[in-house]
Amino acid sequence: QQQVKQSPQSLIVQKGGISIINCAYENTAFDYFPWYQQFPGKGPALLIAIRPDVSEKKEGRFTISFNKSAKQFSLHIMDSQPGDSATYFCAAVVGSGNTGKLIFGQGTTLQVKP
Amino acid sequence: NAGVTQTPKFRILKIGQSMTLQCAQDMNHNYMYWYRQDPGMGLKLIYYSVGAGITDKGEVPNGYNVSRSTTEDFPLRLELAAPSQTSVYFCATRTGNTGELFFGEGSRLTVL
Repeated sequence: QQQVKQSPQSLIVQKGGISIINCAYENTAFDYFPWYQQFPGKGPALLIAIRPDVSEKKEGRFTISFNKSAKQFSLHIMDSQPGDSATYFCAAVVGSGNTGKLIFGQGTTLQVKP
Repeated sequence: NAGVTQTPKFRILKIGQSMTLQCAQDMNHNYMYWYRQDPGMGLKLIYYSVGAGITDKGEVPNGYNVSRSTTEDFPLRLELAAPSQTSVYFCATRTGNTGELFFGEGSRLTVL
């Protein structure tokens, strides 16, 4: 119940295309869903996050879509650029305001070809 | 303002050796975490701390120990290293007001 399942494991997209990464969860107690971006040799960094009372959140080219009934959420990268090439992790948090622990998905390695 | 600093960045250990991975933060965050990252497995929580003097186990604590004597430092101890502990280890902090984690740059450990 604490798992977050992420797909695909790897993704290749042409420059200007749309990158889509999907995540699914089972624990309905999760109350915060962040996405992290990781470049080689670096630690992950927060990219964008959403709470379950919102169905969509957009920040620039990055959009999270959230489907509470299906217990799924996804990251869409519009107009993908070579600089977006990185590993992306979805995560879910129980109790984000206090002692919440993040449960991470398995990660998706995105390559954007020029 | 260095953020989260991890040392060493790279280390090779022999089976059965012990070592400590250091993590220091200057953001005055109460919450600190240790994760390990393995290819295709995501980030797995080893141990975490909600404040000085308080630690708790995560998903994969076996073979590790932690201590939290100050707000700033959260060392991770590996006792009797095994090849299964070959991984990249990340320390992270969090304020507690949001779910955002701030990660260090990682420590790559190889056990031979």
